[in-house]
Amino acid sequence: DAGITQSPRYKITETGRQVTLMCHQTWSHSYMFWYRQDLGHGLRLIYYSAAADITDKGEVPDGYVVSRSKTENFPLTLESATRSQTSVYFCASRSGTAIGNTIYFGEGSWLTVV
Amino acid sequence: RKEVEQDPGPFNVPEGATVAFNCTYSNSASQSFFWYRQDCRKEPKLLMSVYSSGNEDGRFTAQLNRASQYISLLIRDSKLSDSATYLCAVILLIYNQGGKLIFGQGTELSVKP
Repeated sequence: DAGITQSPRYKITETGRQVTLMCHQTWSHSYMFWYRQDLGHGLRLIYYSAAADITDKGEVPDGYVVSRSKTENFPLTLESATRSQTSVYFCASRSGTAIGNTIYFGEGSWLTVV
Repeated sequence: RKEVEQDPGPFNVPEGATVAFNCTYSNSASQSFFWYRQDCRKEPKLLMSVYSSGNEDGRFTAQLNRASQYISLLIRDSKLSDSATYLCAVILLIYNQGGKLIFGQGTELSVKP
């Protein structure tokens, strides 16, 4: 089925390790987003991308790196994981900014940094 | 100041009650507006888009006030199944950067029998 998929769904890693969360969408949507969600903070935008090779910082980009060499993939890398990065990470995609364009979310990646 | 702010909640209401959520946004360049529902930290699901003229979908009514920069969601005759977290979201257009989709922190609703 077409859709937006995230991997891994669950990950435990150690402080200081590099971790990459993958996001893949099959619709060729131009926009993709990465969010983290923590209790009391809702969804906070980490990075977003308007098209391949175009990425920009969101609200909480520190400690994260993204790339978008292909339209369908938008990996998020934690270069040196910290405990404060323990969170649920959601990837999303959208075909444009018009109000009628639905945003699709992945199921989330649960990351624990110990 | 956060770009999008919501009532802190939680809201605890009896079945059948009417409940209203408000959300304010700080940037007048905000273009599109939405309400999402999220269950138990699963992925958010679009509840409804919010149009300038206001819009209704069954028991749900959404309104936008551009002058005051807020959006609202009204749920009438609330059901147990309405219990969830409700998030407002705004697309903020940035010159040369496309559209950022920013969420409020969410308001938890608990509907009791």
